[in-house]
Amino acid sequence: QLQLQESGPGLVKPSETLSLTCTVSGGSISNSNYYWGWIRQPPGKGLEWIGTIHYSGSTYYKPSLKSRVAISVDTSKNQVSLRLRSVTAADTAVFYCARLPASMDRFDYWGQGTLVTVSS
Amino acid sequence: QSALTQPRSVSGSPGQSVTVSCTGTSSDVGAYNYVSWYQQHPGKAPKLMIYDVSKRPSGVPDRFSGSKSGNTASLTISGLQAEDEADYYCFSYAGSYTWVFGGGTKLTVL
Repeated sequence: QLQLQESGPGLVKPSETLSLTCTVSGGSISNSNYYWGWIRQPPGKGLEWIGTIHYSGSTYYKPSLKSRVAISVDTSKNQVSLRLRSVTAADTAVFYCARLPASMDRFDYWGQGTLVTVSS
Repeated sequence: QSALTQPRSVSGSPGQSVTVSCTGTSSDVGAYNYVSWYQQHPGKAPKLMIYDVSKRPSGVPDRFSGSKSGNTASLTISGLQAEDEADYYCFSYAGSYTWVFGGGTKLTVL
């Protein structure tokens, strides 16, 4: 059974860089049939797509976040990483990683999510 | 790239049917049959309920159905049960390798 687990600091200071890792087990992120995405959800608010990556290195970002976001993969560790620069309180959210089939039509497996708070 | 528009809340009594709408544009919902729906209970990760407008993943009850007309997609839940009370989000491919979620709808089972 595929499992995704997000990890990283739960507290980040304003203007610093938020870094999270998604460790995938029960399947390989190098499977060309899948993409991997990051989604966030501010407390009490809705879901927001952040970006998507294929193990080959192709990356796609939400236009409004593109200047601050970087998503990468480490195939040796079966991990997908997210970096969000110059964070503010508005970036406080639960961050989820999820799998997107190559059909690009849905996120079919999700991690449990991790809360990141931006505060000094 | 604006969020898809969903009603903030809907409600229904056990056994009844409810429909949640998701309105986009001719660039996202109207352009592709790549609309999916997610159920999210408090404190939990979203769960895929419908994909490709009307397909159900294995294990999702057939009480859940989806449809689309023009720029608006809909999720219908028939035979409402208490455990259906949750937030529901639509999601669509928006072209040029971008995707967009709806703002979410809170379903209350009365």
